[in-house]
Order: sequence, then structure tokens, then C-alpha cells
Amino acid sequence: GAVVSQHPSRVICKSGTSVKIECRSLDFQATTMFWYRQFPKQSLMLMATSNEGSKATYEQGVEKDKFLINHASLTLSTLTVTSAHPEDSSFYICSADGGLETQYFGPGTRLLVL
Amino acid sequence: AQRVTQPEKLLSVFKGAPVELKCNYSYSGSPELFWYVQYSRQRLQLLLRHISRESIKGFTADLNKGETSFHLKKPFAQEEDSAMYYCALNTGGTSYGKLTFGQGTILTVHP
Repeated sequence: GAVVSQHPSRVICKSGTSVKIECRSLDFQATTMFWYRQFPKQSLMLMATSNEGSKATYEQGVEKDKFLINHASLTLSTLTVTSAHPEDSSFYICSADGGLETQYFGPGTRLLVL
Repeated sequence: AQRVTQPEKLLSVFKGAPVELKCNYSYSGSPELFWYVQYSRQRLQLLLRHISRESIKGFTADLNKGETSFHLKKPFAQEEDSAMYYCALNTGGTSYGKLTFGQGTILTVHP
């Protein structure tokens, strides 16, 4: 079956630094990928839709300058958390549109900002 | 605005008992609903979708537009069904990743 990977699986960084998270579709092409955020014991919240070759579409309340998304190829989308602060600590999950009403989720990336 | 509500955070049943995970939604458009499951230490994966009217691993879910519900049911629960279950509503039209998730229900099936 289709597989989506994320790298890194967990990252710890200092406040003020930027962190890049990669989302890759390993055996299929995805023109659309999605980035979600999950707080502890809470549900997934869609942050943005990443479209290959065009600008990402952000959900209301999500700062586009804070969470930079780049979808440079059909198999890779990146999320960069710029000038990270402790409140950005969270679990970030990506998914890829596999077509036929199916999307495939990555395993998630745990971000801890000290 | 769209919303998905799963009223039960935790649900415990014994093996062989029927189980029902509740899901209610609020959406002004034509709803497309899904159930996703996350087993321990695994990623989120699709369980079933209402459009397909399918039964996966013995689970079924019927969309009830009158009650705005999409409850997940299984007549005889198994221990391997223990997992986190999310109900999700597609609000992106043809883009099926634009999902609004419920809070999730942790199902525990006791032996």
C-alpha cells in the first residue's frame, strides 16, 4: 500500500530557531498534501493544504509566515516552523492525497521547543 | 461552520459484546464522512467511508442525515479492535484531505 514518511520523527530545538519537517510520499505521487497539528489528548487540526507547484492554502488562524510550506515536487512537502517558541510544541502530521477518496497519513513529527 | 462531535472520549466493552462509537456532525453542505483508526504506535489509517457503504473488519457506519450522525458499529467486538477512532468530515469538495476531525474515542476491548 501507499506509504507516507515524515522526517524527523522527533525534534528538540531552542526557542527562536527554525525547524523543517519533511513529508514524502514514497511510492506514489501526490499533488496535494495536508498538514495537521495535534495537541496532547486533542484531535487533529488542519493547518494548511499544500499544492505542488503553487502556494499553500492556510486555514483560518494559522500564521502563514510562521508555518512555511513548500511543495516543490510531487513526492515532497516541507513544513518549516520559523522562530519556534514553546507554544509551537506539538505533534505535526502530514497526509497525502492518494486519489479515489483516499489519503495516507504520515507517522507524525513530535516537536519540542525549549 | 463545520463540526464533528464524538461525545465519548473513552469506551470500554468486553470481547464479543456489541460496540457503537457515536459521531455527530454539523455541516451546511453535503456531508462526506469517514472513520479513521489509529492502533497503538501506528499511524492514522482509513477504516471506512460512508460513500462506499462498506464493511471493514466487521465495522459498519450509516449516515443518518436526519440525525446528522455517522455512528460506527460492530456486533461483536474483538480485542484487536482496541484503538483510537476518529470520525472525520470532508469539507474540501473533491480534495479529500481537507478533513475536520472529531475529538476521538479510545476503544478498549477487554478479554
